[in-house]
Amino acid sequence: QKEVEQNSGPLSVPEGAIASLNCTYSDRGSQSFFWYRQYSGKSPELIMFIYSNGDKEDGRFTAQLNKASQYVSLLIRDSQPSDSATYLCAVSPNAGKSTFGDGTTLTVKP
Amino acid sequence: DTGVSQDPRHKITKRGQNVTFRCDPISEHNRLYWYRQTLGQGPEFLTYFQNEAQLEKSRLLSDRFSAERPKGSFSTLEIQRTEQGDSAMYLCASSSQQGARGYTFGSGTRLTVV
Repeated sequence: QKEVEQNSGPLSVPEGAIASLNCTYSDRGSQSFFWYRQYSGKSPELIMFIYSNGDKEDGRFTAQLNKASQYVSLLIRDSQPSDSATYLCAVSPNAGKSTFGDGTTLTVKP
Repeated sequence: DTGVSQDPRHKITKRGQNVTFRCDPISEHNRLYWYRQTLGQGPEFLTYFQNEAQLEKSRLLSDRFSAERPKGSFSTLEIQRTEQGDSAMYLCASSSQQGARGYTFGSGTRLTVV
């Protein structure tokens, strides 16, 4: 079992819809959770981080964390074709390195 | 602040040769990380530094890999006696606050071993 699991996709949504990306992790000691976006041929770019159970919103993005279920998700509202990318979930113990999932590929169709 | 810089962007080498990559982090960041990524996979941890101290090295990393950050600024990653399985994108990232707010990645160095 991988430490960080994501559905590889591809996930396809129409423009303007809500895209929901999910991630589970195995290390209960994980304290920090991150979502990165990676366009094809480019390096990852941080979108959001979350530490506490519940929701954290930043513009069209909402990260949701449930430590009891070891589950973190990313919602993208009003999806745009420019959101088409691979989304990487990463988890970290306090002050340690991050462990990445293999990513979910999202396609937003005009 | 020019972001995280990596050099070279691409490297093609013959099997058995040694290669060295350089990373210049964001100047105020005290942590520097090296990851490796292959197609369809997420970044795989290699090693990281806090200032000049190497705090952790992946157990998956063979002795052919070595990294340094001699003055707590730029870092180098050397791969000795390269193998075809070393072909990958090598990503450098830096962070402040012990990575609590995530990483800033460089553009990566793509290594092809022929």
